Amino acid sequence: EPEVTQTPSHQVTQMGQEVILRCVPISNHLYFYWYRQILGQKVEFLVSFYNNEISEKSEIFDDQFSVERPDGSNFTLKIRSTKLEDSAMYFCAAGQTQETQYFGPGTRLLVL
Amino acid sequence: GESVGLHLPTLSVQEGDNSIINCAYSNSASDYFIWYKQESGKGPQFIIDIRSNMDKRQGQRVTVLLNKTVKHLSLQIAATQPGDSAVYFCAPGRDSSYKLIFGSGTRLLVRP
Repeated sequence: EPEVTQTPSHQVTQMGQEVILRCVPISNHLYFYWYRQILGQKVEFLVSFYNNEISEKSEIFDDQFSVERPDGSNFTLKIRSTKLEDSAMYFCAAGQTQETQYFGPGTRLLVL
Repeated sequence: GESVGLHLPTLSVQEGDNSIINCAYSNSASDYFIWYKQESGKGPQFIIDIRSNMDKRQGQRVTVLLNKTVKHLSLQIAATQPGDSAVYFCAPGRDSSYKLIFGSGTRLLVRP
């Protein structure tokens, strides 16, 4: 089964600090996504990335968020100035087609 | 807006029995549906997907049925095993959009 990996598994940061979450999709994946899941809540879509650009983003994905695929393998999510409400599990997903989204194990972000 | 609902928040079955997990969706424009399994502390795991032009799809020990008339899906798991214990989500998607819409999930508990 294809495997998407994410680092770090846990991240603790102070409010206002910048964080970068990293994802390594499978090499032949073309579509990339970030979702998040606040504790006890539903998984929410943040952003999709295809052909080296953002293809869709949600209302949550405001100017504090950005994504990048700097070297053709890693896919990163940056939060410029974290807020308490950014605390959540952040999942990267990737797939060869739009319909197949394989999720990584997640990064648990805690903002203090 | 879009919403995804689940009929039962928790389903308890005996090991070896078949499980049926139901899902209702509201957006009749959904083009495909993906079932995910999420174990505690892990990312959603892709189980099976089905296009809206199909009414049944089978995988290994799983069958998904789609009834577009009443906007309902079910995931049938044959010979349920302890390792099947998890939260199950159905996530509709559209060809015109990259995001998946997750509901709150159904927790499947397998009794030994």
